[in-house]
Amino acid sequence: EAAVTQSPRNKVAVTGGKVTLSCNQTNNHNNMYWYRQDTGHGLRLIHYSYGAGSTEKGDIPDGYKASRPSQENFSLILELATPSQTSVYFCASGDVGGARAEQFFGPGTRLTVL
Amino acid sequence: QQKVQQSPESLIVPEGGMASLNCTSSDRNVDYFWWYRQHSGKSPKMLMSIFSNGEKEEGRFTVHLNKASLHTSLHIRDSQPSDSALYLCAASSSSGQKLVFGQGTILKVYL
Repeated sequence: EAAVTQSPRNKVAVTGGKVTLSCNQTNNHNNMYWYRQDTGHGLRLIHYSYGAGSTEKGDIPDGYKASRPSQENFSLILELATPSQTSVYFCASGDVGGARAEQFFGPGTRLTVL
Repeated sequence: QQKVQQSPESLIVPEGGMASLNCTSSDRNVDYFWWYRQHSGKSPKMLMSIFSNGEKEEGRFTVHLNKASLHTSLHIRDSQPSDSALYLCAASSSSGQKLVFGQGTILKVYL
């Protein structure tokens, strides 16, 4: 079965601090995605990647950077964390688009910015 | 920007009852619809997908798609308490590599 892992699972950060969320997938999928989930908003796309070395802005990229150093790893970076970034973050991987656009999600990271 | 709208926001049904959830896309380029289920505190998992007009049944779950109106619906018969979850609808186009998610429908099944 598809395997996506995230670390840390829970994180408390201070306003203005730097936060790095990590994601690893063993599915050999080309595409990886970072979402945040807040009550009433479903899943909102922050950044995504088509392969190692590439990152693309999603729908809500402001305040976030992403890094894809390898096929397996995709990181989300908050350079200056703010309380509005308190949320649950999900990483996902997927093969290609179209009819094969199914995404497999990691367990999520709960981030609290104080 | 493409939007996916789901209704109702929440739904309460008795055990053994039928639950019906709706989803519509505003993007005429959408070709594929996906339904994900997310139990409380867990990650979303794909439940069913539908790409052609008509219906598709898997056990107690049936999805319908009307491509002309870009509307899909998910029906759960003989609902069980374990079906209580957030149901997310997502849409994608044949040329796109992203899923656009709706805000979800919270389903609660009571004994």
